[in-house]
Amino acid sequence: DAGITQSPRYKITETGRQVTLMCHQTWSHSYMFWYRQDLGHGLRLIYYSAAADITDKGEVPDGYVVSRSKTENFPLTLESATRSQTSVYFCASSESGRGANQETQYFGPGTRLLVL
Amino acid sequence: GIQVEQSPPDLILQEGANSTLRCNFSDSVNNLQWFHQNPWGQLINLFYIPSGTKQNGRLSATTVATERYSLLYISSSQTTDSGVYFCAVERRRDDKIIFGKGTRLHILP
Repeated sequence: DAGITQSPRYKITETGRQVTLMCHQTWSHSYMFWYRQDLGHGLRLIYYSAAADITDKGEVPDGYVVSRSKTENFPLTLESATRSQTSVYFCASSESGRGANQETQYFGPGTRLLVL
Repeated sequence: GIQVEQSPPDLILQEGANSTLRCNFSDSVNNLQWFHQNPWGQLINLFYIPSGTKQNGRLSATTVATERYSLLYISSSQTTDSGVYFCAVERRRDDKIIFGKGTRLHILP
């Protein structure tokens, strides 16, 4: 399907387990982003990527790992999940560069993660 | 770090009313975006507006970067406008994106 998709849409896991959230976009957008959304905090940027093999930290990167081996995929891994990582995770993409050339961001449907 | 404050935090209006949502930010930014999150959680970009004014149907936005604020106007509100409206800025010094906590809008039929 065209657009930006996330999987799984819902995930329950236990403290200490590794979890990978997938994000896939079909537009060949250069930039991809991972956010988490929590009550009282709004949306916070975890990591972003400007292109394949280029990633950078956002506002709250601790406890997360990302990779971008292909332009269309941007997986987010929680190496050892903690209860504080219970959240809704949104992936987004944008067509071109940052700053003056930045295009609008398009969001995936979100993944609801519960860490027990 | 940069502060992004949105006001009001909550707003309840009757269908057909007009509203103005405000986003203040404390530092220089490269750009600013407005998003709508509907009651089902879907996030939709409304405007990419680093400066000036843009209009899209019943919605319009104005950003005055020199005074560090942006306004989102919704005219003739409809129940489908309900949800949370976020503004997000890109911090100039390191390009990081920071979201405000949102304004929750509820339009009554």
